[in-house]
Amino acid sequence: AQSVTQPDIHITVSEGASLELRCNYSYGATPYLFWYVQSPGQGLQLLLKYFSGDTLVQGIKGFEAEFKRSQSSFNLRKPSVHWSDAAEYFCAAHGGGGGNKLTFGTGTQLKVEL
Amino acid sequence: GAVVSQHPSRVICKSGTSVKIECRSLDFQATTMFWYRQFPKQSLMLMATSNEGSKATYEQGVEKDKFLINHASLTLSTLTVTSAHPEDSSFYICSARPGLAGTEQFFGPGTRLTVL
Repeated sequence: AQSVTQPDIHITVSEGASLELRCNYSYGATPYLFWYVQSPGQGLQLLLKYFSGDTLVQGIKGFEAEFKRSQSSFNLRKPSVHWSDAAEYFCAAHGGGGGNKLTFGTGTQLKVEL
Repeated sequence: GAVVSQHPSRVICKSGTSVKIECRSLDFQATTMFWYRQFPKQSLMLMATSNEGSKATYEQGVEKDKFLINHASLTLSTLTVTSAHPEDSSFYICSARPGLAGTEQFFGPGTRLTVL
């Protein structure tokens, strides 16, 4: 079955420190991959996406993610975290084609210590 | 571009009443819209896929008579929670997909439903 796993439920980092949020997927073929951010009581905002090509993807707000086929991973990174980055982060995958659904990971709650 | 709105953003209703939530794509036509439900501190669970002009496709375990979905135009889908009960209290999020078979979805800001 298709699935997306985010192993870390909670992560706490100090402001200015680097960040890496993990995401692993299980699909028959390489899916399209997404990272979304959700602030409390808000909808989802797309940070970045990977469809094909360069495996290092740049997104908004200084985020980037690297697709590693050998590890079935799509980890999100930021070199220096800001207090405003505190939020819930969701990794998601889509198998491509109109009949497929977007499958979400369980999310990682990021707390930023000042 | 690619903005999706939801209305209302927050609703409180009495048990037994029905509540309608609107999802609109403001600057694009959405052949397909999706309705998700999110419980506190959990991920989004897909409830149903709504295609313009046809019946919605519900996920397993979602009561179609409880959660009525109408997608009457390319820019509007509605979710009606009928005879709401406290266990229906949740955060409901819609998304819209432009075109016929694209993969990217654009999400609305969500609707917080509280049933007393």
